[in-house]
Amino acid sequence: DAKTTQPPSMDCAEGRAANLPCNHSTISGNEYVYWYRQIHSQGPQYIIHGLKNNETNEMASLIITEDRKSSTLILPHATLRDTAVYYCIVRVMTFNFGNEKLTFGTGTRLTIIP
Amino acid sequence: DTGVSQDPRHKITKRGQNVTFRCDPISEHNRLYWYRQTLGQGPEFLTYFQNEAQLEKSRLLSDRFSAERPKGSFSTLEIQRTEQGDSAMYLCASSDQGSGTDTQYFGPGTRLTVL
Repeated sequence: DAKTTQPPSMDCAEGRAANLPCNHSTISGNEYVYWYRQIHSQGPQYIIHGLKNNETNEMASLIITEDRKSSTLILPHATLRDTAVYYCIVRVMTFNFGNEKLTFGTGTRLTIIP
Repeated sequence: DTGVSQDPRHKITKRGQNVTFRCDPISEHNRLYWYRQTLGQGPEFLTYFQNEAQLEKSRLLSDRFSAERPKGSFSTLEIQRTEQGDSAMYLCASSDQGSGTDTQYFGPGTRLTVL
């Protein structure tokens, strides 16, 4: 799986949009971009994933650049409960044996400021 | 909503003791994964099952570690002769291979402290 690069930490004011960047310059054509977050002492929580089109769900939006070498996770109206470590992961989507695991980096620690 | 559950949530043991953790996946999810997370690091893959078959094991999974999923439902992870270096959060996740996305959903984890 391709490696990802994320800033170690970011702050965002409560109520503003939080934009979390991720670089994945070696991503392959069959690799998806996944985002998870982990609130302190809890298990990782799935947020969103995409291949090449922008995606939106009730939690966030995912913007993937046209060359797919980077992406941005957007939390539109950040709240204090969004304070967490956010992980960007690229993963081959297969339904055969192998490559099913997620490879986590150290993520971005997002702090929402009141 | 019955998500992934893990038991116990916390375990404190003395070095050299054996411990066993249980994971109950989301109902009808055929894939089940174990990860380990140490302080300040992201989760690291240990092993995964498709139904009852254990299909991949990380080199992190030493011979003191064994995982089972006997009926393709719940899974257990056993650590024999625990060492202080085994202290970590042990996370379980499950996914539905047939869902089209195979997204992994995590449980709350079991925090192990080896004294």
